[in-house]
Amino acid sequence: QPVLTQPPSVSGTPGQRVTISCSGSGSNIGGNYVYWYQQLPGTAPKLLIFRSSQRPSGVPDRFSGSKSGTSASLAISGLRSEDEADYYCASWDDSQSNVFGSGTKVTVL
Amino acid sequence: QVRLQESGPGLVKPSETLSLMCSVSGGSISSYYWSWIRQPPGKALEWIGYIYHSGHTNYNPSLKSRATISADTSKNQFSLKLNSVTAADTAVYYCARDLGGSYSPWWDYWGQGTLVAVSS
Repeated sequence: QPVLTQPPSVSGTPGQRVTISCSGSGSNIGGNYVYWYQQLPGTAPKLLIFRSSQRPSGVPDRFSGSKSGTSASLAISGLRSEDEADYYCASWDDSQSNVFGSGTKVTVL
Repeated sequence: QVRLQESGPGLVKPSETLSLMCSVSGGSISSYYWSWIRQPPGKALEWIGYIYHSGHTNYNPSLKSRATISADTSKNQFSLKLNSVTAADTAVYYCARDLGGSYSPWWDYWGQGTLVAVSS
């Protein structure tokens, strides 16, 4: 069972801004960075955000991450059809393990 | 460009041992950490564990007693063995370069993944 909680789905129209939440606890998000991954259908996950709010080289600035307390969020602005994918948050947990969110499917209407 | 490629049997019988290899090119495994991550069909990702080139390992507590990760620096490969498998271990298994080690789920390069089914 995933330790971090995400909404199962989020949808928006092209150009819109959508946000995905990731809820945890003091033993994970509350004391550690959050990472976000994008998984296009049938492919391996791709790193989108590291250390809660930083983007790797090559990731468009339409993607942004933030963290507050025991929750984090990923925002996608100027939504595009190619953003249709599953998105996962991840963090370190004090149980000495990396933990993932349940995943959110983004649909572009 | 770092490339990772998983290989191994696509079908394993219940109670047997799942064995996978990850071959790395474009970079040496004698640097960084290297992780295994899996994803059951239609479900979320699950971290299995990592190995550092020194041989130091760390595992997900939920799998610790069944998983073993090892590395062969001469072949630039690392491997996963998961014993006493059941149908719940059916998943796509990914290997990935791990920039975070402990305290950070930070994977920048991933293999394409390999589906392993557990069935008699």
